[in-house]
Amino acid sequence: AQKVTQAQTEISVVEKEDVTLDCVYETRDTTYYLFWYKQPPSGELVFLIRRNSFDEQNEISGRYSWNFQKSTSSFNFTITASQVVDSAVYFCALSTLNDYKLSFGAGTTVTVRA
Amino acid sequence: SQTIHQWPATLVQPVGSPLSLECTVEGTSNPNLYWYRQAAGRGLQLLFYSVGIGQISSEVPQNLSASRPQDRQFILSSKKLLLSDSGFYLCAWGETGGHDEQYFGPGTRLTVT
Repeated sequence: AQKVTQAQTEISVVEKEDVTLDCVYETRDTTYYLFWYKQPPSGELVFLIRRNSFDEQNEISGRYSWNFQKSTSSFNFTITASQVVDSAVYFCALSTLNDYKLSFGAGTTVTVRA
Repeated sequence: SQTIHQWPATLVQPVGSPLSLECTVEGTSNPNLYWYRQAAGRGLQLLFYSVGIGQISSEVPQNLSASRPQDRQFILSSKKLLLSDSGFYLCAWGETGGHDEQYFGPGTRLTVT
């Protein structure tokens, strides 16, 4: 079975600070897919990124960056120079080659104060 | 481009009443469709998924059911609601094959009183 752990329940930062969200996953499959989603106060989940297990390249998209390390089964997410609009719940998720469903972590609530 | 619709946006229903939530997707064919529930302050739980018309897989046994009468329509139902059915219900779609990202609708906030 797949499992995703987001140990940080809540993080509060002041605007312009960097914030890193941790995600640790467990799976026995050798082919799997990792995702990050953002859930703003409106409730709709917004897709941010997908990573395949065979591609460990880190990725940067604007102020967002992701660090995928198979050796530690982690897929961490960093927001650089945070802004108030980054306030949301962020979910890490996992799916595998043999499974259609996404297994979600419990989510991390990020609050960015002006 | 693809869009996903859910309605109603909010719903307040008494215990024991029936439920019907609808989800439709535009701009794609033969998508995988999913129903998730998010209880207050908690993560997402997959309830049902469908890889084609009439094909429904249930992840959690409960008093809810799902149907897919058309390719891009997914319906979540209950004959008699329980208090524990309250939550935020999200519909999502993904490409056929199932390993791409899923895209979520705006959700339905259900309160059972």
